[in-house]
Amino acid sequence: AQSVTQLDSHVSVSEGTPVLLRCNYSSSYSPSLFWYVQHPNKGLQLLLKYTSAATLVKGINGFEAEFKKSETSFHLTKPSAHMSDAAEYFCVVSDYKLSFGAGTTVTVRA
Amino acid sequence: SQTIHQWPATLVQPVGSPLSLECTVEGTSNPNLYWYRQAAGRGLQLLFYSVGIGQISSEVPQNLSASRPQDRQFILSSKKLLLSDSGFYLCAWSVLASTDTQYFGPGTRLTVL
Repeated sequence: AQSVTQLDSHVSVSEGTPVLLRCNYSSSYSPSLFWYVQHPNKGLQLLLKYTSAATLVKGINGFEAEFKKSETSFHLTKPSAHMSDAAEYFCVVSDYKLSFGAGTTVTVRA
Repeated sequence: SQTIHQWPATLVQPVGSPLSLECTVEGTSNPNLYWYRQAAGRGLQLLFYSVGIGQISSEVPQNLSASRPQDRQFILSSKKLLLSDSGFYLCAWSVLASTDTQYFGPGTRLTVL
C-alpha cells in the first residue's frame, strides 16, 4: 500500500527567506511523486513531478524537490519566498493510483 | 493546449435539493476524468473516475453519482443533497492511467444549507 505524510500542517516564513516543505512517502513500487499548489478557492496546479530520472527535480516558480529513496522523502524547497507563494501545498505519491497528503499551508510574512 | 472547465464556480443549495456539476475538457481526446471532493480541513478525496464514455468507477459509496455522456464531459450529480455534501469539488483529467499526472479544474464551491 502507498501513503504520503506531510510532516508540517503549517509553515510560516518571512519574505525572502527559504521555504522547506517536508514529505515522506511509502510505496511498494518505484512511485511517481508530485507537488501541487492550491491558492484559496482555486484548483490544484502542478509544481513538479519526479519519475525516476534525476533525483533533483526543478519546477515552476523557483521550486525544486529532491527525491531521496533511502529516506523515502520528497521535500520541496524554494530559496527565497515571495508573498505569492502563500498557499496550500500537496505532496502526492502514485504507484497504482494517486494518494494525496493532507497538505501544508504556507504563510509568508512581509 | 488543454484546458478544463468547471461550472458553476459557486453554488448554495438547500438540503434535499438535486445537484448537477459539470466538467469539460478541451484540447485532448479520450482523457481519464476524475471527481474529487475537498472538505474543510481535510485532504482530497477521490469520488469517481472514468476511463471512457459511460465507464464510471466509484471510489467511495455515498450520496453522489457521476456520468460521462460525452468523451470530454464529466457530470457529478445527486438526487438529494445532504449537509455533509458541502465542500470544494474538483474535476481533473489525465492522459494515461490514474497514476499519470492529473490536471485540475478551477473547482466548484458547494454549500448545502
